[in-house]
Amino acid sequence: NAGVTQTPKFQVLKTGQSMTLQCAQDMNHEYMSWYRQDPGMGLRLIHYSVGAGITDQGEVPNGYNVSRSTTEDFPLRLLSAAPSQTSVYFCASSYSSGADTQYFGPGTRLTVL
Amino acid sequence: GENVEQHPSTLSVQEGDSAVIKCTYSDSASNYFPWYKQELGKRPQLIIDIRSNVGEKKDQRIAVTLNKTAKHFSLHITETQPEDSAVYFCAASPTPLVFGKGTRLSVIA
Repeated sequence: NAGVTQTPKFQVLKTGQSMTLQCAQDMNHEYMSWYRQDPGMGLRLIHYSVGAGITDQGEVPNGYNVSRSTTEDFPLRLLSAAPSQTSVYFCASSYSSGADTQYFGPGTRLTVL
Repeated sequence: GENVEQHPSTLSVQEGDSAVIKCTYSDSASNYFPWYKQELGKRPQLIIDIRSNVGEKKDQRIAVTLNKTAKHFSLHITETQPEDSAVYFCAASPTPLVFGKGTRLSVIA
């Protein structure tokens, strides 16, 4: 099993550009989520999904969109990148809910110039 | 929604001493309290968790205690070693899982 995979590992964008961060898991997990990690701010929840076709907002959803058309994939879209979105992004998955062991992907380091 | 406060933000201990990290949460419906360790440049990984029907849980040198009345829980690491140096995050759930801001633990040899 590959676990949770994220692509790309690194990305540099210019202000206003859009892009999609990919996340996939092969563990048949129902619950998936996206966090951003900034120095001194911990892991802040952007969006999460409790199953295919169901998504909900977390603490910091503005500027990001998600969809969950399959159990395996949970892409995060940046609509119009801003320097404030410079961060490390982690995708995580778990068996059924937030109250299960979260398995994190390796992260994507995004820089917006 | 849930709010998790974590203290201290940084902690330095001598090798062999104990380290304690404390967290408080706001939502009385939370019933799951995990702790994650993140080494430099790596992804967070679960080290121990506790559910609300248990007051204390231990795994070798690591223990977690939970006080539901006061809405706080703590991580205890005994006999610290240099490889314990990392950032530790507490979290609370019901869904979704909400994390504290982290504690950077340095174990000085």
